[in-house]
Amino acid sequence: AQSVTQLGSHVSVSEGALVLLRCNYSSSVPPYLFWYVQYPNQGLQLLLKYTTGATLVKGINGFEAEFKKSETSFHLTKPSAHMSDAAEYFCAVSGFTGGFKTIFGAGTRLFVKA
Amino acid sequence: GAGVSQSPSNKVTEKGKDVELRCDPISGHTALYWYRQSLGQGLEFLIYFQGNSAPDKSGLPSDRFSAERTGGSVSTLTIQRTQQEDSAVYLCASSKERAGMSSYEQYFGPGTRLTVT
Repeated sequence: AQSVTQLGSHVSVSEGALVLLRCNYSSSVPPYLFWYVQYPNQGLQLLLKYTTGATLVKGINGFEAEFKKSETSFHLTKPSAHMSDAAEYFCAVSGFTGGFKTIFGAGTRLFVKA
Repeated sequence: GAGVSQSPSNKVTEKGKDVELRCDPISGHTALYWYRQSLGQGLEFLIYFQGNSAPDKSGLPSDRFSAERTGGSVSTLTIQRTQQEDSAVYLCASSKERAGMSSYEQYFGPGTRLTVT
């Protein structure tokens, strides 16, 4: 069965430090991969996605992620954390059934320290 | 334009009662999804509808859960004989998908917080 594993339910970084949120997936076919963000008291919104083409994808607010097929990973990074990045981040995978069923990871809550 | 809306925003019900949760997707979006978000559990896929195709119900946790989508638009998620473990936030999302031009981007509603007492 397809699954998504996010390593670390909580990650804490200092403002200005590198943000790295890890995501590994299992899929028997090339997947479509996503990162969604949920800010406090707000709904989920798409941060970035990989469907085809370039494996390094850029999203909103300076985030980017790289699809590494050999490692079945899609880690999310941002060079310099900002206080406003504090939120919960969800990795997701789709496309494995030929349809649009999407499996989400358990989420990683990012804390940014001043 | 209007986003995905869900109603009610909060629902408190007694164990054993039935509840209906409503989702209004973005106009023109052909795909509609239901998820359950429990604390520390991420989003659990429940069901999705795509156009006139049969829905993918593979995520429904038991036969107490059902969903329908009328006229390719509004959807209702029904939970019969609610149990305390059904307490969660139920999220609806929609996306604009069509053959050869799928965005895969889901737009989420604010959710319905269900509490079963």
